[in-house]
Amino acid sequence: GDSVTQMEGPVTLSEEAFLTINCTYTATGYPSLFWYVQYPGEGLQLLLKATKADDKGSNKGFEATYRKETTSFHLEKGSVQVSDSAVYFCALSPRNDKLIFGTGTRLQVFP
Amino acid sequence: GAVVSQHPSWVICKSGTSVKIECRSLDFQATTMFWYRQFPKQSLMLMATSNEGSKATYEQGVEKDKFLINHASLTLSTLTVTSAHPEDSSFYICSATGRGTASTDTQYFGPGTRLTVL
Repeated sequence: GDSVTQMEGPVTLSEEAFLTINCTYTATGYPSLFWYVQYPGEGLQLLLKATKADDKGSNKGFEATYRKETTSFHLEKGSVQVSDSAVYFCALSPRNDKLIFGTGTRLQVFP
Repeated sequence: GAVVSQHPSWVICKSGTSVKIECRSLDFQATTMFWYRQFPKQSLMLMATSNEGSKATYEQGVEKDKFLINHASLTLSTLTVTSAHPEDSSFYICSATGRGTASTDTQYFGPGTRLTVL
């Protein structure tokens, strides 16, 4: 069945460091891909998404490119801030409104 | 906009009792609501999907008689865990899509409810 695999955390970085959180997926067909972020005490929020191959989603300095050839959707940010500390979830939707999530990666950014 | 609330945020109950969790869309009409369950250090697992005014569709392996879902209005869905047991202890999260949001196919998530069954 469809699934998402993302790197285990926590990822610990200093402020202004470069961030990569890896995400790969297994799916039949052409799913949409998402990154959600969960700040402490809050619900998951959509960070960015891509609906077809080679699309790049971007928001708040974060980017991810839909790579069909490597079945990946890695999240990147050039310079993280303390306020980016949160749990990040990669997810896919096989075009039926359902979301299939990865296990989440906790990011901790220190000043 | 597109705020989803859940109540309560945490609940502790005795084994054998039933617990009701509410999920509300505060500023939009939630035509579809989703209920997820999250175990520690694991991903969110979809339990069921409900459309306003109709019966919920449960995922394979989810007991519909144990996890009762009601979506009686466009702003409220409830999940009732009946005859709860310690193995039902988990973090339950709802989400919603619907009219009056910036993106009708985006799921907006509540903050979750932590259930502990003693």
